[in-house]
Amino acid sequence: GQQVMQIPQYQHVQEGEDFTTYCNSSTTLSNIQWYKQRPGGHPVFLIQLVKSGEVKKQKRLTFQFGEAKKNSSLHITATQTTDVGTYFCAGGSYIPTFGRGTSLIVHP
Amino acid sequence: ETGVTQTPRHLVMGMTNKKSLKCEQHLGHNAMYWYKQSAKKPLELMFVYSLEERVENNSVPSRFSPECPNSSHLFLHLHTLQPEDSALYLCASSQDRPGTGAVNEQFFGPGTRLTVL
Repeated sequence: GQQVMQIPQYQHVQEGEDFTTYCNSSTTLSNIQWYKQRPGGHPVFLIQLVKSGEVKKQKRLTFQFGEAKKNSSLHITATQTTDVGTYFCAGGSYIPTFGRGTSLIVHP
Repeated sequence: ETGVTQTPRHLVMGMTNKKSLKCEQHLGHNAMYWYKQSAKKPLELMFVYSLEERVENNSVPSRFSPECPNSSHLFLHLHTLQPEDSALYLCASSQDRPGTGAVNEQFFGPGTRLTVL
């Protein structure tokens, strides 16, 4: 079945540093979604990418979808303590397959 | 609040108990999902109901039994669970528009933290 791999599993950064998480699929994805889960919380939808090579920005967050629609990335510029949480990508067709997530730890 | 509620929020049960988890969505969505989230496997899809019909069952053990009486309510009936079933059980809903290519953005509930003794 379709698999969505996400790396790294954990990332420690100092506040102000940048952060990137990567998502890779064994098959072409029709779309990719990104979710954020705060500690003790539940996943919350951030964004969806559909087009090959698409780039979207939300303030300090930049989301990219690869040209082959098999990979995606989320980049956070100048992290803040409020960015702490686990970031999941979810790709595929009608029922998305979730990656394992990247847990971001921001040290003040 | 995401418009998806789950009860109870915490549940402790013995292996011989029978309990049920409840999920309700107030978003007018037509698809609902059960996920299991544990440290070992972060987000496992268990069941999907679209238009009240089960469309996917990812080989979940029969000790978990879903029920979807209408598009707003979803239950997960539990019986003779094992300690390894201890996890956070998340419910989600989305608006299913098959064939349109539309995104199935999922709205998650707060989850039920289940501990099996």
